[in-house]
Parts: sequence; C-alpha cells; structure tokens
Amino acid sequence: ETGVTQSPTHLIKTRGQQVTLRCSSQSGHNTVSWYQQALGQGPQFIFQYYREEENGRGNFPPRFSGLQFPNYSSELNVNALELDDSALYLCASSFKGASGQNYGYTFGSGTRLTVV
Amino acid sequence: KQEVTQIPAALSVPEGENLVLNCSFTDSAIYNLQWFRQDPGKGLTSLLLIQSSQREQTSGRLNASLDKSSGRSTLYIAASQPGDSATYLCAVSNNNDMRFGAGTRLTVKP
Repeated sequence: ETGVTQSPTHLIKTRGQQVTLRCSSQSGHNTVSWYQQALGQGPQFIFQYYREEENGRGNFPPRFSGLQFPNYSSELNVNALELDDSALYLCASSFKGASGQNYGYTFGSGTRLTVV
Repeated sequence: KQEVTQIPAALSVPEGENLVLNCSFTDSAIYNLQWFRQDPGKGLTSLLLIQSSQREQTSGRLNASLDKSSGRSTLYIAASQPGDSATYLCAVSNNNDMRFGAGTRLTVKP
C-alpha cells in the first residue's frame, strides 16, 4: 500500500509567477482534496477532485485551479502568485463511495510554498 | 457554512498529566469527525475517526468522544508524555469536504 506523495517538498517563487504542485493518491483511492495551511492556522479547503472533475470548492479565487488524471493523481495550479499564497499546501486522497461519503483520508507531507 | 473551533489554542502541561482538548462545530449534519496530529512543518497523521453514528473511539492512551447534537467533541489524552507535544487538529466531514479547526498546540514538559 503506497501513501500519498507530494512534490516538490519546498518551493520559492516570485510574486506574479505561476506554480504547479503535484500529488499522487494512495492505492485504492479515487478522490483528491487540496488544502492550504497558513502558519499557525488550520488547513483551509481549496477543492476536491473526483472522476477527473472538480467536486466541491472552498473560498478560493479562480487563479487556483486543478486537475485529476486517470490514475487519480492530481495537480494544483496557482496563477499570478501573491505574497499571501505563502503556505503549506496539503493534499489528501480518499475513497468516495456510492453514498458520497469520503473514506480513509490520507494526507501527504505537504509542499511548502514561499512567495517573495 | 461549517465553522470548527478548538479550545484552548495552546496548552502546556507537565509529563504524566491527563488532559482534554475541545472541539466544537456549528453544523451537526456531518458524516464523521476526525482528530489529527501535526508535528511542526509536517503533514497530518490521523489519530481517531468517529463516525456520526458513534459516540466515542479509543486508541491506546487516546479517547475521543462525539456529541453530534450539541456539536462537540473532546480528545482525552491519558498520562501525557513529551512525545505527545504537537498540534492537534479536529476536522469534520460532510458532503465533499473536510473542515478543520485552527488546532491546539500541546507542549508536554519533562
């Protein structure tokens, strides 16, 4: 059983640039959720992907976008980076059943993004 | 919109003490509630998961309770150890997402 892997682990970008973060889901999982965690705060839900489509979104602007691939891995893209985008970005995979409930949330170790 | 609150924000105790962390949520229509541990700069480790139909779960020195009707959960840690020092996060799941509290930062002093 493989866990959730995120890459890169650390990243430094300049304001206005674009960034892509990657996440591999755990074997047997079909859903990926992305979270932003600012220093000293709890993780904030960005969006969730299921069956390669966005399946729920938090209060984040459209410059935060994502993809899910047939192997259930996912990317988070952020355009026009702002200083406040500096945070730990966490990815979690889970299995969404017929009821719609997500089972077995497993988190990756995160990507630390610094925008300067 | 679901709001999750954790009290206290920080807690410092001597080794060996029993302690309780609190979590409250505003929308009782949840699938489950989960407690996580987070070490500095690291990802989240799941500690206990309580389904909405359950009242409590236990794992070793940890016991979590859930009162869905009042929107409250507690995490009880028995005989605390310095290795328990970390941030503890409470999260509730409904529909398509999981909502987190801001966490309680626990320090257990030797």
